[in-house]
Amino acid sequence: GIQVEQSPPDLILQEGANSTLRCNFSDSVNNLQWFHQNPWGQLINLFYIPSGTKQNGRLSATTVATERYSLLYISSSQTTDSGVYFCAGSGAYKYIFGTGTRLKVLA
Amino acid sequence: DTGVSQNPRHKITKRGQNVTFRCDPISEHNRLYWYRQTLGQGPEFLTYFQNEAQLEKSRLLSDRFSAERPKGSFSTLEIQRTEQGDSAMYLCASSARQGISYNEQFFGPGTRLTVL
Repeated sequence: GIQVEQSPPDLILQEGANSTLRCNFSDSVNNLQWFHQNPWGQLINLFYIPSGTKQNGRLSATTVATERYSLLYISSSQTTDSGVYFCAGSGAYKYIFGTGTRLKVLA
Repeated sequence: DTGVSQNPRHKITKRGQNVTFRCDPISEHNRLYWYRQTLGQGPEFLTYFQNEAQLEKSRLLSDRFSAERPKGSFSTLEIQRTEQGDSAMYLCASSARQGISYNEQFFGPGTRLTVL
């Protein structure tokens, strides 16, 4: 089955810094999402991005489907960006999640 | 438009007891999914419904677990004879009938189960 690798596993940033999170897939996926998990465990949808580039405020994401990877960019980070970021991919409907990137933004 | 809701949010039970969780998907979403997340890991797929039909069950779903989705609306996940290893966050998600992002899944807040 599909395997998902996320890097880096942990990231500490100063407020205002930029960062790039990466997600590699072992096989092609038809669906790909990025999530932010808040301290209460809620998974917040960031992007549904099986291919191409999308932007939403300070966040943007790019998926290169032919090379089986996706990138999440966070610009001008804020303390509220802290938490765990997951990417997940699926062939049809069953999402396989990575182990996440734990981000801590310091004031 | 309300999101996916789950009840209860927290459940503490003793080993050997049965527990039942409920998930209400986003209105008109015909696909519903259950996942389980343990500490430090990403969510893992448990099972999937399209309308009222349960179409796939993971090997993680032992015979102590049962899920239903009567009438294709809300779903319940029951765990019988709970074990300490069942302690986890149980997440429910739903996705739309049609549209550009047909398979975009929206998650509920989860039910955190602690088995003593």
